[in-house]
Amino acid sequence: EPEVTQTPSHQVTQMGQEVILRCVPISNHLYFYWYRQILGQKVEFLVSFYNNEISEKSEIFDDQFSVERPDGSNFTLKIRSTKLEDSAMYFCASSEFGSSYNSPLHFGNGTRLTVT
Amino acid sequence: AQSVTQLDSQVPVFEEAPVELRCNYSSSVSVYLFWYVQYPNQGLQLLLKYLSGSTLVKGINGFEAEFNKSQTSFHLRKPSVHISDTAEYFCAVSLNQAGTALIFGKGTTLSVSS
Repeated sequence: EPEVTQTPSHQVTQMGQEVILRCVPISNHLYFYWYRQILGQKVEFLVSFYNNEISEKSEIFDDQFSVERPDGSNFTLKIRSTKLEDSAMYFCASSEFGSSYNSPLHFGNGTRLTVT
Repeated sequence: AQSVTQLDSQVPVFEEAPVELRCNYSSSVSVYLFWYVQYPNQGLQLLLKYLSGSTLVKGINGFEAEFNKSQTSFHLRKPSVHISDTAEYFCAVSLNQAGTALIFGKGTTLSVSS
């Protein structure tokens, strides 16, 4: 069964550094998402992306964050200047369509980002 | 605004015992309801969903959930759990529109022991 793959599985970075988290969505999916889960807290929506544009974003997704689909297969999340509170598990997800009805989200295994 | 409350952060049970993981939601508009499971070191996997129709929905691995509109609940149940069901379980809601984000609860850790 096709999977969403995320690399790396664990990334350590220093505060103030830029970091790029990478995701390869399922090939025929058109909608892409990033979520994050701070340790011990709920999974939080960051952003959704369709047709090379952000379609929705949360309050968490401020100017420090950006997303890009640089080619036909990758979907990236960039954090420009990381803060300690950015330490979390970041999940990428994709869906074939935007509506929830026929198109559940498929999640990757996540990238654990540790900011020191 | 929508919100999801999972009433129990941790639920320890013995193998072959029944289990119920509770979820309540709040929304002024119609929502779709989901349960996701997260096994250790893995991503979130869809367990089941309620979209419309029968209020009792069956999912994978023998789980089922019942939508109760009057109580705004969507509790997850399994009549007999296995050690392999040990995982984090997340209840989530989605608005009735295209491309809308899931709103998750805080999660419930189900620990099954022998």
